[in-house]
Amino acid sequence: NAGVTQTPKFQVLKTGQSMTLQCAQDMNHEYMSWYRQDPGMGLRLIHYSVGAGITDQGEVPNGYNVSRSTTEDFPLRLLSAAPSQTSVYFCASSADRASNQPQHFGDGTRLSIL
Amino acid sequence: GDSVTQMEGPVTLSEEAFLTINCTYTATGYPSLFWYVQYPGEGLQLLLKATKADDKGSNKGFEATYRKETTSFHLEKGSVQVSDSAVYFCALSDTYNQGGKLIFGQGTELSVKP
Repeated sequence: NAGVTQTPKFQVLKTGQSMTLQCAQDMNHEYMSWYRQDPGMGLRLIHYSVGAGITDQGEVPNGYNVSRSTTEDFPLRLLSAAPSQTSVYFCASSADRASNQPQHFGDGTRLSIL
Repeated sequence: GDSVTQMEGPVTLSEEAFLTINCTYTATGYPSLFWYVQYPGEGLQLLLKATKADDKGSNKGFEATYRKETTSFHLEKGSVQVSDSAVYFCALSDTYNQGGKLIFGQGTELSVKP
């Protein structure tokens, strides 16, 4: 059982480049989300989705775009990379959006913007 | 808005010492509370959870009690091991705050020495 799979694990970009971080889950979970982790700040929500075709903004959405065309996949797009987007990105999923549902996290993508 | 505050780290303990990591929260609704653990180079894993007041979550010798009167969810373990060295995150998910969205504390790094 793979759980939540993120690719790539590491990436270095130049300022202004665009890229897509991939996230896939094989648990048939309805709820998926993207977080970024920065030192001393915990994890902050970027975007989330409560089901295929439905997405919404989280706490720090600027500079990022998402789509959810299937239940399994939830890619995160950086439109024009900036050094402030250097971070570790985590994708997570849960069975539904009920507040008592634990979330399952991928291993993260470590992104550096030069 | 909702928030989570954890004690600052890093925390350094000797093997078999008693561990407490403090966590307090503010929430407008009736949140579920979680502790997640992150081992080096990995994603977050659910350690334990509690979904209502006075519930005690426990797992792998760790435990935490949901205290509504003090808005706290402190993590404890009676005897830590070197393998417990990791970063620990307290988090909440609030039914009235788009349930499913996790709000994290800043994380507490634990280092256990032999």
